[in-house]
Amino acid sequence: DQQVKQNSPSLSVQEGRISILNCDYTNSMFDYFLWYKKYPAEGPTFLISISSIKDKNEDGRFTVFLNKSAKHLSLHIVPSQPGDSAVYFCAASVLGGNTPLVFGKGTRLSVIA
Amino acid sequence: KAGVTQTPRYLIKTRGQQVTLSCSPISGHRSVSWYQQTPGQGLQFLFEYFSETQRNKGNFPGRFSGRQFSNSRSEMNVSTLELGDSALYLCASSIQGFSTEAFFGQGTRLTVV
Repeated sequence: DQQVKQNSPSLSVQEGRISILNCDYTNSMFDYFLWYKKYPAEGPTFLISISSIKDKNEDGRFTVFLNKSAKHLSLHIVPSQPGDSAVYFCAASVLGGNTPLVFGKGTRLSVIA
Repeated sequence: KAGVTQTPRYLIKTRGQQVTLSCSPISGHRSVSWYQQTPGQGLQFLFEYFSETQRNKGNFPGRFSGRQFSNSRSEMNVSTLELGDSALYLCASSIQGFSTEAFFGQGTRLTVV
């Protein structure tokens, strides 16, 4: 039973355009969501997070949107750059619950120059 | 501040052997978690240790075990290796447990032949 789903295994975007990565979750107890970025042969790196009390969080070129009613979040990267090419993982947890982060299977983003 | 250090980076073992992987968390972090990453499966949670106690465990067979030492360093052991155990094993540390961002090491690439 996959609690966090990233239904697009891959995405290609032209440099300068917007990249939108999507994530759905099924567990209504999740109230904290994170995005990680992973380059080959490296560990995932934390990118941005959002708690369920917000519906948007911005950090530079990265914005995460949360739609609690739809149990859906998305990561927007604007403008996309070739260095953004990586695998992006969505993760969810219960804040204060001391339970492990639950990850999606990842979406491979390719930004084409 | 040093990051999460995993050793070794690469490992080749024969089916039936056992292996021990090591993880040194960020100084001051008491929680260490282990994940297995395989192509198409994302990051699968193995277990979490906090103050030398296993606090959470994922859905993996008993061949996978771990421990944490008083200095928070952690080891993961896999006995009777199978071909399907070939994966990238990632260690993540956080200050006191999950629900906030975890910091990952570069991983140990285990190949079972």
